[in-house]
Amino acid sequence: NAGVTQTPKFQVLKTGQSMTLQCAQDMNHNSMYWYRQDPGMGLRLIYYSASEGTTDKGEVPNGYNVSRLNKREFSLRLESAAPSQTSVYFCASRMGQQTAFFGQGTRLTVV
Amino acid sequence: RKEVEQDPGPFNVPEGATVAFNCTYSNSASQSFFWYRQDCRKEPKLLMSVYSSGNEDGRFTAQLNRASQYISLLIRDSKLSDSATYLCVVNPGGYQKVTFGTGTKLQVIP
Repeated sequence: NAGVTQTPKFQVLKTGQSMTLQCAQDMNHNSMYWYRQDPGMGLRLIYYSASEGTTDKGEVPNGYNVSRLNKREFSLRLESAAPSQTSVYFCASRMGQQTAFFGQGTRLTVV
Repeated sequence: RKEVEQDPGPFNVPEGATVAFNCTYSNSASQSFFWYRQDCRKEPKLLMSVYSSGNEDGRFTAQLNRASQYISLLIRDSKLSDSATYLCVVNPGGYQKVTFGTGTKLQVIP
């Protein structure tokens, strides 16, 4: 069972470069989420998608865009990476009020 | 007030000890609650759901107090392998965003 799959697992970017983090789930979940986690800060919600075709801002959306490509896939794009975006990024999905399942994370460093 | 608040710890306890964490939430309409465990540099994983009547899973007991708006996690007979960060999770209901606490770090000492 794949669950939630994130790619890439590691990435180093130069300031100003762009990239897209990919997330796919095979559990037929309606809702998908992108979080970032920084030391001592806990998980902070960047964007979420309650269902296919909808996206909403979370707590820290600035500098990011998202696309809910279909029910399975929810991507996160950094248009112009900044050192402040160095973090671990987690994608998650869930159905209704059920538990959320997480991908293994993407460790991003912006230099 | 934050939506979900936890004591960050760390809680340093000897093996075999009993330790308890609390988590308070601000939205009185919240409908479901969970405890997650996160090991260093790994993704959070579900530890247990929290039911109104309280529930137990081996050495772990979770309780919900709706009147005071907090949930708790009790770990009995702590093991070295219990060392991790424990995240409190509150669902407001429906398809709204899941809210995580910042986590409580537990270190079990030999």
